Amino acid sequence: GQQLNQSPQSMFIQEGEDVSMNCTSSSIFNTWLWYKQDPGEGPVLLIALYKAGELTSNGRLTAQFGITRKDSFLNISASIPSDVGIYFCAGQLDADGLTFGKGTHLIIQP
Amino acid sequence: SQTIHQWPATLVQPVGSPLSLECTVEGTSNPNLYWYRQAAGRGLQLLFYSVGIGQISSEVPQNLSASRPQDRQFILSSKKLLLSDSGFYLCAWSWDSPYSPLHFGNGTRLTVT
Repeated sequence: GQQLNQSPQSMFIQEGEDVSMNCTSSSIFNTWLWYKQDPGEGPVLLIALYKAGELTSNGRLTAQFGITRKDSFLNISASIPSDVGIYFCAGQLDADGLTFGKGTHLIIQP
Repeated sequence: SQTIHQWPATLVQPVGSPLSLECTVEGTSNPNLYWYRQAAGRGLQLLFYSVGIGQISSEVPQNLSASRPQDRQFILSSKKLLLSDSGFYLCAWSWDSPYSPLHFGNGTRLTVT
């Protein structure tokens, strides 16, 4: 089956720094999604990408659907304390469902 | 707008006891419904999905079962829990259309003792 490699696994950043994380796949996807999960809660959809090369922003978040359709990245600008959590990428090729990455744990250092 | 409700939020059950987790969706009809399990704060594993009443697809053979008795109700069950069933269980819904993103409930933390 399809597998996603999400990196980095964890990030330790200072408040105000920009953050970048990415997902890569050995096979193509038609949709890329980015979710954020706060402790003890379900993942919340941040950005959905439906077209190769698409660049989409949601506030301080920007995500891109790689032109090869095998990767996607998520950037967070000027991080704030509430950005902490686990970020998941997910890819979908067809109606068979999503493949999730293992998550990037974002930690903000005091 | 659509909302998804999942309960209970936390559950502690002894080994061998039955399980019933419930999930309901409001504000839409004929959604696709999903059960995921998450271990150790990451790694979402699809357990079951349903495209309609009484239609259940299982992704992973296990000690669990799912049922969809009504259009917007999805239930995760077990007759006898195992220690390995402990985890964070998430219900999700999506529109019944290709590439519709998933929307998750707040999850149930199950601890089997």
